[in-house]
Amino acid sequence: DAGVIQSPRHEVTEMGQEVTLRCKPISGHNSLFWYRQTMMRGLELLIYFNNNVPIDDSGMPEDRFSAKMPNASFSTLKIQPSEPRDSAVYFCASSFPDRGNSPLHFGNGTRLTVT
Amino acid sequence: DAKTTQPTSMDCAEGRAANLPCNHSTISGNEYVYWYRQIHSQGPQYIIHGLKNNETNEMASLIITEDRKSSTLILPHATLRDTAVYYCIVGVPNAGNMLTFGGGTRLMVKP
Repeated sequence: DAGVIQSPRHEVTEMGQEVTLRCKPISGHNSLFWYRQTMMRGLELLIYFNNNVPIDDSGMPEDRFSAKMPNASFSTLKIQPSEPRDSAVYFCASSFPDRGNSPLHFGNGTRLTVT
Repeated sequence: DAKTTQPTSMDCAEGRAANLPCNHSTISGNEYVYWYRQIHSQGPQYIIHGLKNNETNEMASLIITEDRKSSTLILPHATLRDTAVYYCIVGVPNAGNMLTFGGGTRLMVKP
């Protein structure tokens, strides 16, 4: 079990640039979540997919943020254009809710710094 | 609106039991209690969950009061590696496992 894999681990970019964060969920998991963590706001749920379909994106802060899940093994979170206030650690998590009380399994995150 | 209330921080001596409390007085009948922890620079890690019965696994024990309004996570023999932020969360499993994380308890295990 390789766990949830996120890339890159660190990303430093300049304001205005496009940023793409990637996530590979655990094989067989059909729910995928994107979270953002900052010191001020803690862990915030941005968007949630079930069977590759976005179910709730109410946590996505602005139209600059978009997420896709083209297949069961890959998801991206894109910020365009990026701003300094987007600096945070972005976590991806997956689960298998069809199997009853499947907990969330998190990746180790992408630390984004926008200068 | 926070669904759970936890102390901001706690200390524990290495080798002793760490008892982390959580209040969830507005928990619904179909909501479970989940515990996660986050070690510095890592993603949150699932520890244990329960509905109304006490639960135990290789990591910890979960004690839920009879009225389900509070619970305690017990790490029986805390080690330095248990230093982390511990999150108590309530949620409905089949609602897509959408869990809202609060501020958690920062546990410091001291030698």
